[in-house]
Amino acid sequence: AQSVTQLDSQVPVFEEAPVELRCNYSSSVSVYLFWYVQYPNQGLQLLLKYLSGSTLVKGINGFEAEFNKSQTSFHLRKPSVHISDTAEYFCAVSERSNDYKLSFGAGTTVTVRA
Amino acid sequence: KAGVTQTPRYLIKTRGQQVTLSCSPISGHRSVSWYQQTPGQGLQFLFEYFSETQRNKGNFPGRFSGRQFSNSRSEMNVSTLELGDSALYLCASRGMAGDEWTDTQYFGPGTRLTVL
Repeated sequence: AQSVTQLDSQVPVFEEAPVELRCNYSSSVSVYLFWYVQYPNQGLQLLLKYLSGSTLVKGINGFEAEFNKSQTSFHLRKPSVHISDTAEYFCAVSERSNDYKLSFGAGTTVTVRA
Repeated sequence: KAGVTQTPRYLIKTRGQQVTLSCSPISGHRSVSWYQQTPGQGLQFLFEYFSETQRNKGNFPGRFSGRQFSNSRSEMNVSTLELGDSALYLCASRGMAGDEWTDTQYFGPGTRLTVL
């Protein structure tokens, strides 16, 4: 069965500083990996996804993530954050063999301060 | 293309009542999944419907049920509400490419249910 661990529940960061959100997964088969963002009082918005190919994936709003199969990780990064990046970020995994059912991590709250 | 829509956005109910939430998927998407989000349990999968049939089900009691209509719109019903049912209920839709599922689910804004 697939599972996801987000290693940080809260990440405070200053505006224009870089941020990294850590995500590890476990699965016995090949997986697809996703990062979603949830702004206050809103639903989930897809930031980026890894399906296959290049291990460095670029998403919206300047975010990127790197898939590392040997370390079963999919960390999310942004080189310079803005106040508007304050949100909760969810890492998710799905397996093609499991009809792409999504399993989510517990979420990481990013708070950007001026 | 319009996104996933959910109605209502906010609901307040009392214990013992029942509630029905609605979700309209992206045009052309035939699969609708429902999730419950709470601070304590995070995002938990409730069930998925495709072509009016429940395909997958999470680990929730029978008080939680759903259905899907021929136009792919879906409703979720919770009977005999409990305080612990207070949550954000999210629905997500996805489509197919030929006979294969596409890999990405698209989420609606959610319905915030408060049980008093």
